[in-house]
Amino acid sequence: IAGITQAPTSQILAAGRRMTLRCTQDMRHNAMYWYRQDLGLGLRLIHYSNTAGTTGKGEVPDGYSVSRANTDDFPLTLASAVPSQTSVYFCASSSLAPTTDTQYFGPGTRLTVL
Amino acid sequence: GQQVMQIPQYQHVQEGEDFTTYCNSSTTLSNIQWYKQRPGGHPVFLIQLVKSGEVKKQKRLTFQFGEAKKNSSLHITATQTTDVGTYFCAVAGGGNKLTFGTGTQLKVEL
Repeated sequence: IAGITQAPTSQILAAGRRMTLRCTQDMRHNAMYWYRQDLGLGLRLIHYSNTAGTTGKGEVPDGYSVSRANTDDFPLTLASAVPSQTSVYFCASSSLAPTTDTQYFGPGTRLTVL
Repeated sequence: GQQVMQIPQYQHVQEGEDFTTYCNSSTTLSNIQWYKQRPGGHPVFLIQLVKSGEVKKQKRLTFQFGEAKKNSSLHITATQTTDVGTYFCAVAGGGNKLTFGTGTQLKVEL
């Protein structure tokens, strides 16, 4: 089924541990994004990539890193998790500039940092 | 970056009542998108508005873009339990990014 997959679905993580959230899309979209969603704060952009090989910082990038080695994959890494990173993480993609095209979202990863 | 205020934060309605959520910006917008997120789900694109004063309809949903392109609304006529969820507007945030409103959570009671 075409779309975006994310893994894991949920994770409980001890503070200080390293964690990589995986995101893969099979729509050959150029642009990909990582958001976190917290109650009352909506969706906040963490990092984005307009095309393979390039990445950029969003609104809340601190404590996170990304890479875009190819078109399909866009992993998000927490180098040393902290409790404030407890959130639901969504990966998204779009074929062109997001201001003129639809963003497609993955099912999300629910992360709890203890 | 572009900021957008979305109101109300929450809305409880009886099934059959109407519902409206608003997005407001202090600056002129190039376009605005609307997304719906069901409880436990992920955001799903509903529509994009581009033209000043534009009105688009999807069954019981009516989307409007203000004449000055600084505000937008989503109106649902005769809500149903299937309308439950959070509705987000999203605007161009500069640098090929979208900025999402904080969303309006709709609950529909029988």
